[in-house]
Amino acid sequence: DTGVSQDPRHKITKRGQNVTFRCDPISEHNRLYWYRQTLGQGPEFLTYFQNEAQLEKSRLLSDRFSAERPKGSFSTLEIQRTEQGDSAMYLCASRSSGRADNEQYFGPGTRLTVT
Amino acid sequence: KQEVTQIPAALSVPEGENLVLNCSFTDSAIYNLQWFRQDPGKGLTSLLLIQSSQREQTSGRLNASLDKSSGRSTLYIAASQPGDSATYLCAVRGNTGKLIFGQGTTLQVKP
Repeated sequence: DTGVSQDPRHKITKRGQNVTFRCDPISEHNRLYWYRQTLGQGPEFLTYFQNEAQLEKSRLLSDRFSAERPKGSFSTLEIQRTEQGDSAMYLCASRSSGRADNEQYFGPGTRLTVT
Repeated sequence: KQEVTQIPAALSVPEGENLVLNCSFTDSAIYNLQWFRQDPGKGLTSLLLIQSSQREQTSGRLNASLDKSSGRSTLYIAASQPGDSATYLCAVRGNTGKLIFGQGTTLQVKP
């Protein structure tokens, strides 16, 4: 257990439905990252927050995706009008920016299946 | 644009063998490089982190090296065990902190 938690662990939804995932980082970590991993591939960066500010978004993050980190604590990732291509593992990671050498700690992931 | 490549994509070895996994990256301007382990359907477990100023890191039977100038890293696993079977991912960190991952090497260690 790295101290980063994600909920739910698994989500099955029908195409066109909206889904929301939650990530709780390690409490003292001010940076929070979201990644997406499809089968057989390495994780790909989606977006990251420093405290409550969203500082970078990948072009992978289409307008159907939105992420928030209110109050700089937990974060949510919402996917609207899900498509089968959204099926993937969604990973969250956190780290402290106080030191340049700090590693990222990953949560267990949320596996999304869109039917 | 940073690209990370891992070779081989899959590897099968008998128990007890020493093995090397390779990782290459195109842009040498990295802060650090991390090796992760991922079991099927699970999240990522960090194995070793090498700072850009370091040449290698060791943890138990694992040794990771970094040659920034040539854009290469290797993960050496000594005396492999069936419990080492997993996917191994390398990732480089840029200045914003985001990680760029390779595709992974899936290792199977046969008893």
